[in-house]
Amino acid sequence: ETGVTQTPRHLVMGMTNKKSLKCEQHLGHNAMYWYKQSAKKPLELMFVYNFKEQTENNSVPSRFSPECPNSSHLFLHLHTLQPEDSALYLCASSQDRIEGFNYGYTFGSGTRLTVV
Amino acid sequence: AQSVTQPDIHITVSEGASLELRCNYSYGATPYLFWYVQSPGQGLQLLLKYFSGDTLVQGIKGFEAEFKRSQSSFNLRKPSVHWSDAAEYFCAVFSGGYNKLIFGAGTRLAVHP
Repeated sequence: ETGVTQTPRHLVMGMTNKKSLKCEQHLGHNAMYWYKQSAKKPLELMFVYNFKEQTENNSVPSRFSPECPNSSHLFLHLHTLQPEDSALYLCASSQDRIEGFNYGYTFGSGTRLTVV
Repeated sequence: AQSVTQPDIHITVSEGASLELRCNYSYGATPYLFWYVQSPGQGLQLLLKYFSGDTLVQGIKGFEAEFKRSQSSFNLRKPSVHWSDAAEYFCAVFSGGYNKLIFGAGTRLAVHP
């Protein structure tokens, strides 16, 4: 257990469903990140939150909607996904954007998403 | 644009053999480099990092990496591999200007008994 908890671990959803991924950390970190990990591709940064403010959206389709209600929780709301969205979604956190630079990130174990 | 290349997608070594995983980066300024490991079904765990100073950095689990500016490389090494080292390894560079970690595509390591 790294201190970053992601639920659910596995999710299968239809293209018309709406679901949410949850990430929780109690490390006292103030920056949180969503990454997408697809087979044979580098990890893709999706969203960045620093002190609950979204500071980066890497041209992610609107069918992915992040939410950060407080510094400990991060959600990724999913709707009308496509099969190519099937991937491992990883959440990470760091003290803040600058300390992430100094110490790296702490990653959760990910949610394996399959869109059918 | 900043990028990280890991030339080897898969590597297989025998237990007890030495290991070197290659990483090349493209970054204009002094890079801040990381190696992460991902075991099956797990998230990424930080192995080691390089910021400045000694170009040979030591990490956890007996790993080390050497920064070579002239070759734009940051290769990961271990003198004697254990079966538990079988995992996927990711090299990353911190893009200070963009304040984010950029990852390579990863190298999957298999260890034969």
